[in-house]
Parts: sequence; structure tokens; C-alpha cells
Amino acid sequence: QVQLQESGPGLVRPSGTLSLTCAISGGSITSTNWWSWVRQPPGKGLEWIGEIYHSGSTNYNPSLKSRVTMSVDESKNQFSLKVRFVTAADTAVYYCVRRTVATFADNWFDPWGQGTLVAVSS
Amino acid sequence: DIQMTQSPSSLSASVGDRVSISCRASQSINTYLNWYQQAEGKAPKLLIYDASSLQSGVPSRFSGSGSGTDFTLTISSLQPEDFATYYCQQSYSNIPITFGPGTKVDL
Repeated sequence: QVQLQESGPGLVRPSGTLSLTCAISGGSITSTNWWSWVRQPPGKGLEWIGEIYHSGSTNYNPSLKSRVTMSVDESKNQFSLKVRFVTAADTAVYYCVRRTVATFADNWFDPWGQGTLVAVSS
Repeated sequence: DIQMTQSPSSLSASVGDRVSISCRASQSINTYLNWYQQAEGKAPKLLIYDASSLQSGVPSRFSGSGSGTDFTLTISSLQPEDFATYYCQQSYSNIPITFGPGTKVDL
């Protein structure tokens, strides 16, 4: 079965760039699914950041769109997230997750990576 | 954006109780509604998709219902491992995909 694993620095300086990678095992990034990032600030709820298809097509949350870039590396079977100009408000557990698509609107998030905590602090 | 609300925000229950959690969308989303369970310190886990379809491997004590704007997640007989936070999520509009604020179920 598909498993996802996030990796990247756990500490980022304010105004810097947060960079994370999600490695996919047990399946291919070229499957007919979207690959998403979801974050969760400590003690708070879930926020969808955006997603990427293996072709490179992306959808971003408008609230973060100006600071977010996602990319795919098919040769490594992984995808990545960059968030620029981070502040303390970007401190969160970041999850990579597959969005399984049955139809355009009939879709769901499964599976999830275990998550990685990224703190923004000087 | 489609706004999702949940009620209650938290509830206290005992093992064996029947528990219901409500989720409401700010506009009709047909049955494009999913439910997730998040145990403390863990990643969310898909329970229900398309409002009422049980994800493979999820116990049958979990069920979902509803359509349009009002949805319900029901746990027929609460088990110790069910104490967690539950989130609904709409998939009707994917820019942005939105989650409810969560409902914490504790003792």
C-alpha cells in the first residue's frame, strides 16, 4: 500500500523559506491522483495548502498562493513544497497526503504521511 | 470559499455511548463530504467518504449520513480507541479544499 514520508528542516528563520519533500513508497507519483500538503498549527485545525499532479499542474489555497510553490520529481517518486517569507504563523505540523480522485468532486485524502513539525523562530 | 462548521466543538462521553457529530456546509455540496479521525499526536485517518461510504478497514460502528448542507457522523458504541478529534472536509470545491474546525471527543 502507498506510504508517504515527509522530510525537511524542523526550524526555519523568519522571512526565510520553508522546504519540505514527501517521498512516496508502494505506489507511483504518476498515478491518477493529486498530491497535497495540509498543515496544522499547534492545537488548531487542518488547513489545505495546495496540491500538484504528476504533470506539474498545481492548485493552491488562495490564502497562501503568493508564497507557495510545489514541484514533482518523477525520477525520485517524490514531491516538494516551498513556502517563502515565513513568519511564526507558519509554525505547524505539515502533512503530505494523496488526494484520491474517483470523480471530479468525489475525492478524499488518503493516505497521510506521519507529519513533520516545522517551527519558525530566530 | 465553502465554509464548514461542526457542532459541538467538544463532547464528553463514555465507552458504549452513541455519539453524533454534526457538520454543516455554507452551501450545498451534494454528498461530497468526508470524515477523518485524528488521535492525539497522530495524522488524520479517513473514516467516511462521499458522506456515507465506509473506508476499508474502518469498524462498522462508524456511519455517516446527510446531503446538501447538513451531515452527521455517528459512532454507535464508543470504544476506548475512538477518543479523538473528528474533522469533516468538503470535496465539492477544490480551490480551496476546506475542513471543519473539528470536534474533540473525550471522557
